Amino acid sequence: GAGVSQSPSNKVTEKGKDVELRCDPISGHTALYWYRQSLGQGLEFLIYFQGNSAPDKSGLPSDRFSAERTGGSVSTLTIQRTQQEDSAVYLCASSLAGTSGRPSYNEQFFGPGTRLTVL
Amino acid sequence: KQEVTQIPAALSVPEGENLVLNCSFTDSAIYNLQWFRQDPGKGLTSLLLIQSSQREQTSGRLNASLDKSSGRSTLYIAASQPGDSATYLCAVHTGKLIFGQGTTLQVKP
Repeated sequence: GAGVSQSPSNKVTEKGKDVELRCDPISGHTALYWYRQSLGQGLEFLIYFQGNSAPDKSGLPSDRFSAERTGGSVSTLTIQRTQQEDSAVYLCASSLAGTSGRPSYNEQFFGPGTRLTVL
Repeated sequence: KQEVTQIPAALSVPEGENLVLNCSFTDSAIYNLQWFRQDPGKGLTSLLLIQSSQREQTSGRLNASLDKSSGRSTLYIAASQPGDSATYLCAVHTGKLIFGQGTTLQVKP
């Protein structure tokens, strides 16, 4: 596709349920990032993928959060046993690969986000 | 720890004015700095990216400057239009993007 796509656009769930959020990066972009935007915290980094591996998971707030990427393309962010404080907009971004195996510092392009509401 | 601050938090100007948005960061060890625009309920649109070795970038009515040693960047918008109304975010790249809280701009017709 022309840009980064995310699904669903909105998700309402009950506290304690598991949710899966999906990101389709721009074709050819091997670097993929997840961020979270909430009222109190602004925009925060969650995790970075280079290909299918995640060299930086430092932003994941708890072990209830996990993410995977398959085929160097689609990524899924999973939140288990959701809590009300997980309510936020989850944004995905992708960029071209870095050079010579180094991390990518290229321009990041963002998807429209998934708005998660935990009741 | 890298911290990014944007001033002002909100700005309201009449159409046609030139304006400057400010961004400062505490650690000069950055790879690049990116300016974004966010419309209400939408994702982020990349406006300009300045590499750490560059001093400025221009795109249309937008000009962004970077002074890495002093930890500052500015986004200059010339001849503002109502369609420029949005939240503007700056982010420094340190291996991941670290964002400021944004400046919400309103341009009145």
